[in-house]
This record gives sequence, C-alpha cells and structure tokens, in this order.
Amino acid sequence: QVQLVESGGGVVQPGTSLRLSCAASGFAFSTFAMHWVRQAPGKGLEWVAVISYNGRNKYYADSVEGRFTISRDNSENTLHLQMTSPTREDTGVYFCARGDMGGSGSYPQYWGQGTLVTVSS
Amino acid sequence: SYELTQPPSVSVSPGQAARITCSGDALTKKFAYWYQQKSGQAPLLVIYDDNKRPSGIPERFSASRSGTMATLTITGAQVDDEADYSCYSTDSNGSPRLFGGGTKLTVL
Repeated sequence: QVQLVESGGGVVQPGTSLRLSCAASGFAFSTFAMHWVRQAPGKGLEWVAVISYNGRNKYYADSVEGRFTISRDNSENTLHLQMTSPTREDTGVYFCARGDMGGSGSYPQYWGQGTLVTVSS
Repeated sequence: SYELTQPPSVSVSPGQAARITCSGDALTKKFAYWYQQKSGQAPLLVIYDDNKRPSGIPERFSASRSGTMATLTITGAQVDDEADYSCYSTDSNGSPRLFGGGTKLTVL
C-alpha cells in the first residue's frame, strides 16, 4: 500500500535552512505528482507546494514563494522541501502527500504522518 | 482574494445528521474535496471530486456542491466521526490551491 515517511524536521534557527524529505513506497512514485502541506500548532491545514510527476512543474503558496523549493528524485523515490530563511510562522507539522495523478493539478490523496519543524532561536 | 470559509465548529448528537459547509467563489467552477483529521493523525481523504467516496469510506459520508458552497453530510453521525474536517479546492491551471480553515465536529 502507499507509504509516505517524512523526515528532517527539528529545531531550526530563523534565517538558516532545513531540508525535509519524504520517502515513498508502495506505488510508482515517478508517475504521481507530490504535495507538501503544513499545519501550524492548533491551526488548520495550509497547502505549501506541488511538483508534477517529472519535476518540470512546480507551484507554491504565496507564503513560501521564493523561500522554499520543492524537488524530487525519482530514482530514489524521494520528495524534498528545501526551506531557506524560515521564520517563526513556518513552525508546524509538514506532511507530504501523493497526488491523484501526475499533473500539478492533482489533489492530495494519500498522506504521510508528518514531521515537526520548530523555528526558534 | 481566494478563500474557503468553514464554520469553526459543528455539534450533533449520535445518530443525527452532521452538515459542514465550505463557501468560496472558486467553488462555482472547481471541485471540492473533504479531509477528516482525527487528533494527532494525518488527514484522510473522505470525499473527492465533489461527491465521490474513496474505497473504505463509509456510506454515511456524502457531499454536494452548488453555487459557491460545498456541503459535507454525515448521515447518522457516530462518536468515531469526531474530528476536524477541512475542505480543499484546486485549479488545474496552477492558481492557488487552498484549504478551508477546518471545522471541528463534536458528536456528543
């Protein structure tokens, strides 16, 4: 079955950088779009970014545009999120999710359990 | 701006119907999706493409969309249905994808 396991979370100082990863298994990773979604403590879900199956199309929420970069390694079945210059507002649980299809217009269909990122000095 | 608005909370007694709404201008053109999130767990897709149930989701979950509003209905809500429910809408042309603020369903 579809398995998504996030890693790389932790405490990071404002203005530094952090890379999150998501290891995928149980499906043909290279044929599906992938999303990152986050959730601040006690708050609702916030869509962060999506990448198409081949990595050519990427879209970001306005709140992270220019600071975060989504990427994928189809040879390693892994999704990444490079977070640069994080602020306290970026604190939260980061979920990776598989899209329902390969294009960037997909919706999050299957979700990982998330990894906690805390931005604090 | 593009927003999806949900009531913060809905409360029903066991066996009653629970209705959770999601409103936004984009819903006149775009599909709505619904996610259930129980405390400490990852979200679970319960409705896709406005009104379709993924495999394994009980029949008591249904949904509809009309005009600027989408509605999730849980017929005969159970205590196990207590969770946060969030709507989501997407645009295949790459414009913002957005979740509603979420609705906490209490079945008590």
